[in-house]
Order: sequence, then C-alpha cells, then structure tokens
Amino acid sequence: QVQLVQSGAEVKKPGASVKVSCKASGYTFTSYYMHWVRQAPGQGLEWMGIINPSGGSTSYAQKFQGRVTMTRDTSTSTVYMELSSLRSEDTAVYYCARDLGEQQLVLGWFDPWGQGTLVTVSS
Amino acid sequence: DIQMTQSPSSLSASVGDRVTITCRASQSISSYLNWYQQKPGKAPKLLIYAASSLQSGVPSRFSGSGSGTDFTLTISSLQPEDFATYYCQQSYSTLAFTFGPGTKVDIK
Repeated sequence: QVQLVQSGAEVKKPGASVKVSCKASGYTFTSYYMHWVRQAPGQGLEWMGIINPSGGSTSYAQKFQGRVTMTRDTSTSTVYMELSSLRSEDTAVYYCARDLGEQQLVLGWFDPWGQGTLVTVSS
Repeated sequence: DIQMTQSPSSLSASVGDRVTITCRASQSISSYLNWYQQKPGKAPKLLIYAASSLQSGVPSRFSGSGSGTDFTLTISSLQPEDFATYYCQQSYSTLAFTFGPGTKVDIK
C-alpha cells in the first residue's frame, strides 16, 4: 500500500535550520508530485510547497520563499524539506502529502499524508 | 491568494444527526474544492475531491456539493468515528493552494 514515513521530532534553537525527511513506498516514486504542509499547534493547515520527484523541480509558497528548500533522493524514494532561519512561529507539525495526479499531473488533491513531524523552535 | 472561510467554526451533534458544513471561497474556483477529515494527533485524510467526488474507501454517508464560491460537506448520519475537524481546500490556484480554517465536530 502507498505509505509515507517521516523522520522523528526535532527541537531547534531560533536561527537554526531543520531538515525533515519523507520516505515513500508502495508506488512509483517519480510519477507523483509531493507537497509539504504544516500545522501550528491548535491551528489550521498551511501549504508550503511542492517538489517533482522526477526532475527535482520545486515551487514554494511566497511566504516561505528564501527559507525553504525541498529536495529528493530517487535512490531511496525520499523527499526532504529544509527550513532555515527558524523562529518560534515555525513550531508546527510538518507533513508531506502525495499529489493524486498520475504521470506528473498536479491536481492539488493530497493523499496520502505522512504521519507528521513535530518541529519545536525554542531557546 | 484565494481565501477560504468555513462555517460554523464548531458544532455539536449527536450520533445519527445530519451535519452540514459550509465553505466559501473569496473568488470563483469552479469545482476545484476538496474536503479533508483530521482526528486529534493524526494526519488529515482526503474525503472529497473536485467538490463532489468521493475518495476511494470513504463511506457513502459523506457527500459534497457546490461550485463557484459556495460549497457544502454533508454527513448524512453522523457516526462515532466522524467526530473530527473538517477542512476545505481549494486547488484552483495551482501552486498556491489554501485551506479553510476548519470546522470541529464534537459530541453533543
């Protein structure tokens, strides 16, 4: 079955960077785009950006431009999201989520999702 | 960015009730509207895509309708496992996806 497994929780100091991984299995990794979405404690969902696992091209939400980098490793079917210059407002659960569009079509329908990675930013 | 609003922000209902949640977009998004269910401590789950299409494996008591700016999610007969928070999301603005603030459904 399609599964996305994310790395474990992280605690970072303000100004540091964090890199979260998302390992995919159960489907052809390079055929589906991957999104990153975050959720601050008790808050709603916020789309951060998308990566094409085939060619590695990316597109980021304007809010995160310059601070986020999404990469992939096709040999391990893993995508990564790195967020730099962390501040307390970045404390959130970060999710990867596969786009449902086949053959590299972006539909913006997110399914499935990873289990989430809690990133805590605190001095 | 397209702004999404939901109403109500929360509701209390009983098992067996018919529940309706409304989502509104700040501009027309045709039928590019999706619904997700999220339970505490869990990742969201896709319920409905393209306004009215039921995702595989989702019970038929869930349905979606609407187009343009106004959409609804209906649960025809609320079950114990349906108590959760529901989010709408627009996929009209490609690469600038946005979610509604959520509607929490809890037990009356």
